[in-house]
Amino acid sequence: DVKVTQSSRYLVKRTGEKVFLECVQDMDHENMFWYRQDPGLGLRLIYFSYDVKMKEKGDIPEGYSVSREKKERFSLILESASTNQTSMYLCASRISTGQGTYEQYFGPGTRLTVT
Amino acid sequence: GENVEQHPSTLSVQEGDSAVIKCTYSDSASNYFPWYKQELGKGPQLIIDIRSNVGEKKDQRIAVTLNKTAKHFSLHITETQPEDSAVYFCAAGLTGGGNKLTFGTGTQLKVEL
Repeated sequence: DVKVTQSSRYLVKRTGEKVFLECVQDMDHENMFWYRQDPGLGLRLIYFSYDVKMKEKGDIPEGYSVSREKKERFSLILESASTNQTSMYLCASRISTGQGTYEQYFGPGTRLTVT
Repeated sequence: GENVEQHPSTLSVQEGDSAVIKCTYSDSASNYFPWYKQELGKGPQLIIDIRSNVGEKKDQRIAVTLNKTAKHFSLHITETQPEDSAVYFCAAGLTGGGNKLTFGTGTQLKVEL
C-alpha cells in the first residue's frame, strides 16, 4: 500500500513564525503536491514538484515556499505565518509514468492554526 | 487555467436511494476526470476516474458519465449506504506525468437511515 505521511496532524503557531510542514511518501513517486483545504473552496494547489529539486507554483503560492531535496520528501514552508493561513494542509504524491493510472495518494492532512 | 464547478455543495439522501453529483469544467483540453472521496479525518481517496475517450464507467455501485461537448461529468451512486457518507470531490486535468489537477469545491453527502 502506498503511504503518504505528514509530520503533524495538528499544529498551532503564532503570527510571524516560520512553519515547516513535512510530507514523506514511500512509493518512489516522482510527483508530489501540496494543497490547502478550506470549507466551500475545495482543494487548492499551492505548489507541486515534478521530481527532486524541481518545483512549480500552483494556484495559490503566495506566502509559501517548498523544498524537495530527496525524492520521498516534500516540505511546505510558511516563511511568516499569518492568520489567513489557518487551514487544513494536504500532501499528495503520484507516479509520473502514467502507466494507466494517475491516482494521487493523499496524506491524512495537517490542521494548522495560526493565532 | 482550468475551472471546475461542483454541485450541490450538500446532498442528503435516504439509505437505498441514488445520489448524483455534477461537475462542469472550462478547459476543453482536459482529458482526465477523477472523483475522490474524503472520509472524516482522512485524506481524499480516489474512487473512480474516467478519460475523455470514454463516455461512461462503472464500478459496482458507482458510475461516472462524461459529456465532452457540454463539458460536464457526473458521479452516480446507487443503493446508497451509510458508509457512503463523506465529502466527494471531482477534478479535471490532463493525463501524463507532471500535470496537475483542478478540484471542485466538494459535496458533503449524508446518507440517512
